[in-house]
Amino acid sequence: AAGVIQSPRHLIKEKRETATLKCYPIPRHDTVYWYQQGPGQDPQFLISFYEKMQSDKGSIPDRFSAQQFSDYHSELNMSSLELGDSALYFCASSLEGVGTGYTFGSGTRLTVV
Amino acid sequence: AQKVTQAQTEISVVEKEDVTLDCVYETRDTTYYLFWYKQPPSGELVFLIRRNSFDEQNEISGRYSWNFQKSTSSFNFTITASQVVDSAVYFCALSEAPASGGSYIPTFGRGTSLIVHP
Repeated sequence: AAGVIQSPRHLIKEKRETATLKCYPIPRHDTVYWYQQGPGQDPQFLISFYEKMQSDKGSIPDRFSAQQFSDYHSELNMSSLELGDSALYFCASSLEGVGTGYTFGSGTRLTVV
Repeated sequence: AQKVTQAQTEISVVEKEDVTLDCVYETRDTTYYLFWYKQPPSGELVFLIRRNSFDEQNEISGRYSWNFQKSTSSFNFTITASQVVDSAVYFCALSEAPASGGSYIPTFGRGTSLIVHP
């Protein structure tokens, strides 16, 4: 079965650079979520989209932005990167209503040096 | 507000032992969902189970079993006859019915690191 695809798997950036993370949800899933997991931490909710519109916002810094495109894939754009942004970034998708639960991608490991 | 507490930071057992991972949640909603995820050393989050607040029936899946008790707001996870491959961080998560126009957003506990020794 198709899963949530995230790219790239690993990314190394320097401070103050920008990064773009991509997420391709499971086909027919209409909701996408982004999470940030710091070392030894639990995943923290950043932002979600339902039918290409932002539906909820969590602890996403102003330096970050995200969108969901017409093909339902989503991108998380991160600017002015800081060392503290080094984390595992997960994308998850679901069908609205939690009927199918949340399926997470394998994550993008971002390292800021 | 919602909150998930996994009081056990790390559990260490020897293979073939049974182990229970605790999860206590707080919510004012009557409609909510509970989840368990496994995060092996490779980092991905693997879905294990989803339970809605109206279904208190316990579930068994192979060596895994879950005990949902609304009276104590707990959703504990037991691994029977643990194996080295069970070594991972296990997260309990809760999502509540959204406000109008919103989505169900899972909130995770801090996770329990399970180490199974051979």
